[in-house]
Amino acid sequence: DTEVTQTPKHLVMGMTNKKSLKCEQHMGHRAMYWYKQKAKKPPELMFVYSYEKLSINESVPSRFSPECPNSSLLNLHLHALQPEDSALYLCASSQFGRRHTEAFFGQGTRLTVV
Amino acid sequence: TQLLEQSPQFLSIQEGENLTVYCNSSSVFSSLQWYRQEPGEGPVLLVTVVTGGEVKKLKRLTFQFGDARKDSSLHITAAQPGDTGLYLCAGVGGRGSTLGRLYFGRGTQLTVWP
Repeated sequence: DTEVTQTPKHLVMGMTNKKSLKCEQHMGHRAMYWYKQKAKKPPELMFVYSYEKLSINESVPSRFSPECPNSSLLNLHLHALQPEDSALYLCASSQFGRRHTEAFFGQGTRLTVV
Repeated sequence: TQLLEQSPQFLSIQEGENLTVYCNSSSVFSSLQWYRQEPGEGPVLLVTVVTGGEVKKLKRLTFQFGDARKDSSLHITAAQPGDTGLYLCAGVGGRGSTLGRLYFGRGTQLTVWP
């Protein structure tokens, strides 16, 4: 099983809403990632969790709040977003700290902020 | 700073033509991965190359890792419309704080016309 599952697939939210994106994997990976991707651009790293601890925050605004409740789950809590935050949000997972790690991506959540 | 330079950025060809996509860096990576992404979906891992000079084949796709592990190429023979998508190379850091971290190129948007 090399599947990373993201929900929801599509999300439309207002600028005053609070919503959460969810990600789940059962590959035993101990590194999980959130990426943001704009149209026709490569994914941009937002956060990295290693062994359920936040190890990298790429200077992401506080209106994005990640959470890793356990080794299989990763959430991204959204609050007071701006229209420019509309993008495809991708979750990925990999083995942690290995030189030849491979990342597996979910299908993404298409987020539209209105 | 873009660690991985990917070229060309856009490629539009007719069915049956051959093409090569390049991924270059001044940094050494422990491994390099190629992904293919379709609109609205997450990137799908195609191949991982690990050893300098390594060549891997996946049907009509041939991947090569440079001898110095700084560059890679993807060659597609007799392209088909189903090959259309965004091709991303990603280098994997091999030491210290970069260990296991993915660094993406900007991507090559390939369109194959019937």
